[in-house]
Amino acid sequence: EVQLVQSGAEVKKSGESLKISCKGSGYVFSTYWIGWVRQVPGRGLEWVGVIYPGDSDTRYSPSFQGQVTMSVDKSTNTAYLQWGSLKASDTAIYYCARHQFITGGQFDYWGQGTQVTVSS
Amino acid sequence: DIQMTQSPSAMFASLGDRITITCRASQAISNSLAWFQQKPGNAPQRLIYAASFLQSGVPSRFSGSGSGTEFTLTISSLQPEDFATYFCLQYRNEPWTFGQGTKVEVK
Repeated sequence: EVQLVQSGAEVKKSGESLKISCKGSGYVFSTYWIGWVRQVPGRGLEWVGVIYPGDSDTRYSPSFQGQVTMSVDKSTNTAYLQWGSLKASDTAIYYCARHQFITGGQFDYWGQGTQVTVSS
Repeated sequence: DIQMTQSPSAMFASLGDRITITCRASQAISNSLAWFQQKPGNAPQRLIYAASFLQSGVPSRFSGSGSGTEFTLTISSLQPEDFATYFCLQYRNEPWTFGQGTKVEVK
């Protein structure tokens, strides 16, 4: 069974750093991209970017380029999304989802989401 | 970026109703569109991919159509578990972009 399991909710202060995770199982992790999506109530869903575990190739949305960093650890089948200095505007639910560049490969399985709350 | 305009933003419907949700893309995206359902507290779940292909395990009352710039999601006979929010996603060009969502509520 394909599963993406994300790390738990985080409460941080502005300026702090944070790394959240997404662990894949039930499939060959290195052959599917992992995408990240942000959801803010009232702002809908936003595509953060994708990373390919096979070679760590990354593609960022221009809106998130330089604001977050995606990475992977193939040895543990885990993808990460991290911030060097959080802002209150980073408060959101972050989802990971797997993806392949084939018909039907786009975001077919999702993690349960990680709530990130940043207080100023 | 490609803008996805989804309508309506909310609708009220009754059990058994046939409902249609529309997404319009700001430029042609071929059939590179997926539809998702999201219930409160849960992650989105894919219903349709490549505009008209039904995700495995999704009931056949859901269907998708369209190509180019206009797409529709239809639920042929609304069931209790279908009251939720629906989103479209274009994956033709990066950055991928979502519609604003349609909340389907009980009339």
